[in-house]
Amino acid sequence: DTAVSQTPKYLVTQMGNDKSIKCEQNLGHDTMYWYKQDSKKFLKIMFSYNNKELIINETVPNRFSPKSPDKAHLNLHINSLELGDSAVYFCASSPPGWGGAKNIQYFGAGTRLSVL
Amino acid sequence: AQSVTQLDSQVPVFEEAPVELRCNYSSSVSVYLFWYVQYPNQGLQLLLKYLSGSTLVKGINGFEAEFNKSQTSFHLRKPSVHISDTAEYFCAVSGMRGSQGNLIFGKGTKLSVKP
Repeated sequence: DTAVSQTPKYLVTQMGNDKSIKCEQNLGHDTMYWYKQDSKKFLKIMFSYNNKELIINETVPNRFSPKSPDKAHLNLHINSLELGDSAVYFCASSPPGWGGAKNIQYFGAGTRLSVL
Repeated sequence: AQSVTQLDSQVPVFEEAPVELRCNYSSSVSVYLFWYVQYPNQGLQLLLKYLSGSTLVKGINGFEAEFNKSQTSFHLRKPSVHISDTAEYFCAVSGMRGSQGNLIFGKGTKLSVKP
């Protein structure tokens, strides 16, 4: 019944590896997001997709590639992992429509990535 | 573009005491305002929001916030805190249109409630 679910919850890997994080929402939302939360808890948006189309692509290394196979899924693939990629990654979604309700985002529980 | 400043990085308080977490924002356009709470090792949960109407908004768990347009503030308050309120609190702002509608977060305030 989880509204926004991410897998895996924890991910420990070596530098240079490639890994993916999956996100699924069952809320019927049409916009999905990826955020990075650093060790100081600062949250920064990385990507935003609306109806499978890329809307926001902040200054993120091109080793990060989002993929949205449908409106309910937004996966994050990371190539050649670096130590600085260690962080908590959050997926979020927001509903269709207009006005303030559109801007309310619902978050997953996060994926804690540790690069050794 | 919008920005958010949370004036206190940490707020320690004793149980049953009142608390105020401060948030100021900057924007050249009209905004929506939000407070999210993050309990340890969990995701973010919406606490309350200001979209329009009354400037005093009430949220979950007894929290409320007041939108003050002249002071560009959206401070969060609770009259009596519980141990279970210990968490990180994030203030966020979004513009009303198009790409300005994305959430910009403050750096968070860690609320520690002591017995």
